[in-house]
Amino acid sequence: QVQLMESGGGVVQPGGSLRLSCAASGFTFNTYGMHWVRQAPGKGLEWVAFIWYDGSNKYYADSVKGRFIISRDNSKNTLHLQLNSMRAEDTATFYCARGKKDGSAQLGMVNYHYYYIDVWGKGTTVTVSS
Amino acid sequence: EIVMTQSPAALSVSPGERATLSCRASQNVNSHLAWYQQKPGQAPRLLIYATSTRATGIPARFSGSGSGTEFTLSISSLQSEDFAVYYCQQYDNWPSSFGQGTNLEIK
Repeated sequence: QVQLMESGGGVVQPGGSLRLSCAASGFTFNTYGMHWVRQAPGKGLEWVAFIWYDGSNKYYADSVKGRFIISRDNSKNTLHLQLNSMRAEDTATFYCARGKKDGSAQLGMVNYHYYYIDVWGKGTTVTVSS
Repeated sequence: EIVMTQSPAALSVSPGERATLSCRASQNVNSHLAWYQQKPGQAPRLLIYATSTRATGIPARFSGSGSGTEFTLSISSLQSEDFAVYYCQQYDNWPSSFGQGTNLEIK
């Protein structure tokens, strides 16, 4: 049974840091890209970050670029999100999600790969408040 | 960044009727469009990927269509369990992005 379980959420002061983790089980973790998605209270979904299956490529939302860092430990089947320089607007439930590949394309010298989300964790809540 | 715009923001439909939800991308996303359903207090669930392919276990009353910048999620003969918030997501370009959601309500 495929499972994703987030942990590490809590209350942090503005400017502070937090490290989220996501434990994966029931599938071959090191063959899947992984996403983080967040949802502020009462708001919609916001895509946050993605990391390739081997950690070689990472992508971020503009709102978190330079402050958040996505990483993974394939030996431990674990995904991480380091949250730095946190702001009140970072208050949200953070979801870990599996990226399923929907094909590839080569445009010129660049290879593109396309990943939707097929499995979601239950989320961990982060509150930024003084 | 590609902006995804969903319409309407809220839709009231009676059980047994058909619902049509729209999603527009600010630029071409080819067929790289997914739909998700979210119920209160739950994580989202994948419904449709690649514009029109139903995910495993999703009933045939859910269908997706469109291409380029205009996409539609249709739900025929609405069941009580279908009333939820629906999001579209483009995964053609990084950063990926979601629409703001459509709240499908019981009429």
